[in-house]
Amino acid sequence: DADVTQTPRNRITKTGKRIMLECSQTKGHDRMYWYRQDPGLGLRLIYYSFDVKDINKGEISDGYSVSRQAQAKFSLSLESAIPNQTALYFCATSVLRDKGYNEQFFGPGTRLTVL
Amino acid sequence: QKEVEQNSGPLSVPEGAIASLNCTYSDRGSQSFFWYRQYSGKSPELIMSIYSNGDKEDGRFTAQLNKASQYVSLLIRDSQPSDSATYLCAVLISGGYNKLIFGAGTRLAVHP
Repeated sequence: DADVTQTPRNRITKTGKRIMLECSQTKGHDRMYWYRQDPGLGLRLIYYSFDVKDINKGEISDGYSVSRQAQAKFSLSLESAIPNQTALYFCATSVLRDKGYNEQFFGPGTRLTVL
Repeated sequence: QKEVEQNSGPLSVPEGAIASLNCTYSDRGSQSFFWYRQYSGKSPELIMSIYSNGDKEDGRFTAQLNKASQYVSLLIRDSQPSDSATYLCAVLISGGYNKLIFGAGTRLAVHP
């Protein structure tokens, strides 16, 4: 089945460490997203990419960077992790349809804890 | 003002009842609206999309859209305990790069 996968699923790290979260998809979608979810705050967009050469900041990009290595791969890096980056991180994909429809499909998530 | 607002709940309904979940949004130009279901610790799952004013039915789910009132709702008929989850409303914001803005979600609890 066409799918969105994320690795790792869980990660505990220490303040100041560099962390990379990876996302791969077999849906053939050109658009990929990274979100974080915190209790009571819903999903917030970190970065998004509409193709390999098009990467854009979302509403909370400070402290994060991304790399779109291929159409199917989109990685999120925390250059120097801090405790308030402890959250659930989701990758999502979509394909542009008529009239701007943008149904997004989510990966299983990565639970990141920064001590 | 938040761009997409939902009552956080919990909304508690008995098994077999109709659950009504509501969402308001601020961008009058928005054209696409989505409902996601999220079980605790799991990823959001798309359950309904609606693009035109009126009702859209899919099984036990009905989405309702009123663009003049900037209001979208989700009705779940014959609610089951397995429907207990957080329901996220998402709105595609118009202009520039199309971005999906999520509400914080409404937690639904269906009790036997």
